[in-house]
Amino acid sequence: AQSVTQLDSQVPVFEEAPVELRCNYSSSVSVYLFWYVQYPNQGLQLLLKYLSGSTLVKGINGFEAEFNKSQTSFHLRKPSVHISDTAEYFCALSIQGAQKLVFGQGTRLTINP
Amino acid sequence: DAGVIQSPRHEVTEMGQEVTLRCKPISGHNSLFWYRQTMMRGLELLIYFNNNVPIDDSGMPEDRFSAKMPNASFSTLKIQPSEPRDSAVYFCASILQGAYNEQFFGPGTRLTVL
Repeated sequence: AQSVTQLDSQVPVFEEAPVELRCNYSSSVSVYLFWYVQYPNQGLQLLLKYLSGSTLVKGINGFEAEFNKSQTSFHLRKPSVHISDTAEYFCALSIQGAQKLVFGQGTRLTINP
Repeated sequence: DAGVIQSPRHEVTEMGQEVTLRCKPISGHNSLFWYRQTMMRGLELLIYFNNNVPIDDSGMPEDRFSAKMPNASFSTLKIQPSEPRDSAVYFCASILQGAYNEQFFGPGTRLTVL
């Protein structure tokens, strides 16, 4: 079975500081990897995805993530955060050829002024 | 496109009442997913449909929950009878099969059962 572990349930950072949200996954077969963002009282919105190819993936709002197969990780980074980045972030995977997403428990990112 | 549409956005009901949540997927999408989100359990997949046919309902918590998709543009999730522990935010998502599984989520329905 596949699983996703988000190592931090909450991450507080100051505005304009860099941030990294950690995600590790477990799967015996090839997967696609995703990061979704959920702003307060809204649904989930895709930030970025890794399908194949370059291990560094760039997404919306200045976020990027790096796929590391040997460490089974897909950490999300932003060099300088803004108050508007306050949200919950979900890492997810799907098996290639399947449709279900397996989600991590989420990381709440709080930006302090 | 208007995106995935869910109604109602908020529902408050009393224990024992029937609750029906509605979802309209993005036009042309052929797979639809129902999720439940709570603080305790996070985001859980309840059921999903391909081409209006239920494929996996293993996440449906018990017989009080049922879901239907009578056509490609409409799905319902029904709880009968409702219980306080059903209080949660229910999301619907749709995808175009083959499009690398990128799911598009609706805004959710916040259900409170008193």
